Amino acid sequence: QVQLQQSGPGLVKPSQTLSLTCVISGDSVSNNSAAWHWIRQSPSRGLEWLGRTYYRSKWYTDYALSVKSRITIDPDTSKNQFSLQLNSVTPEDTGLYYCARLRYSSGEVFDHWGQGTLVTVSS
Amino acid sequence: DIQMTQSPSTLSASVGDRVTITCRTSQTISNWLAWYQQKPGKAPNLLIYQASSLESGVPSRFSGSGSGTEFTLTISSLQPDDFATYYCQQYNTYLYTFGQGTKLEIK
Repeated sequence: QVQLQQSGPGLVKPSQTLSLTCVISGDSVSNNSAAWHWIRQSPSRGLEWLGRTYYRSKWYTDYALSVKSRITIDPDTSKNQFSLQLNSVTPEDTGLYYCARLRYSSGEVFDHWGQGTLVTVSS
Repeated sequence: DIQMTQSPSTLSASVGDRVTITCRTSQTISNWLAWYQQKPGKAPNLLIYQASSLESGVPSRFSGSGSGTEFTLTISSLQPDDFATYYCQQYNTYLYTFGQGTKLEIK
C-alpha cells in the first residue's frame, strides 16, 4: 500500500524559505511509471499544482509558472523521499500543502496523497 | 494554463437524489479529465479518470461523462457519505489545473 508522509514546519516568516519533505512507502521515488508532485490549497487559490519530479533514465522537474522562480523540488533516492523548497514566501503562500503521487497507468491522475501540512506565513 | 469552471459552486440535495456537477474547460482536452471528492480535513480522493472510468473501489453510483470542453459527474442516488466537495482536474498538459470545487450540502 502506497503511503506518503509529510513533515515540515507549519509557520514560516515572510521572505524566508518554506521547506517540506514527503517520505514514500510502498513505492519508489525512482518508479518509471509515476511522478511525485506538490500541490497546495487555499481559499483564495483553490487547488494549485506547484510542480513535479520524476525519473525516466534521468531526473526531470517541472514547475508551475506562478512559482517557477522560487521553487525547487528534489528527489532523495537514499531516503526514498522528495522535498519542496519555496523561497521568498509571502502571506499569499499560506495554505495547505500536499505531496501526491501521479500514476501514468489508467489515467494521468493523483491516486495517493500525503496528509497535508498547513503552512502559515506570518511574522 | 487551461482554466476550469465548475458549476454550481454549491448544491443542496437530499439523500436519494440524483445530482449532476458540470466542469467546463477553456480549451479542448479530449477526455483527459478526473474527478475527486474531498471531505473536511482530508486530501482529495480520486473517483473518476479519463472522464468516465470509475476508479477501483469507488461505488457505482458515481459516473462521469463528456469530452472536449464539457464534462459531468453524476451521483445516481445520494448517500449520507457523499456530502463533500468535488473537484475536476485536467491532465491534457502537465500544467495540471483544478476546478474551484462544488460543495454538496444536505438540504
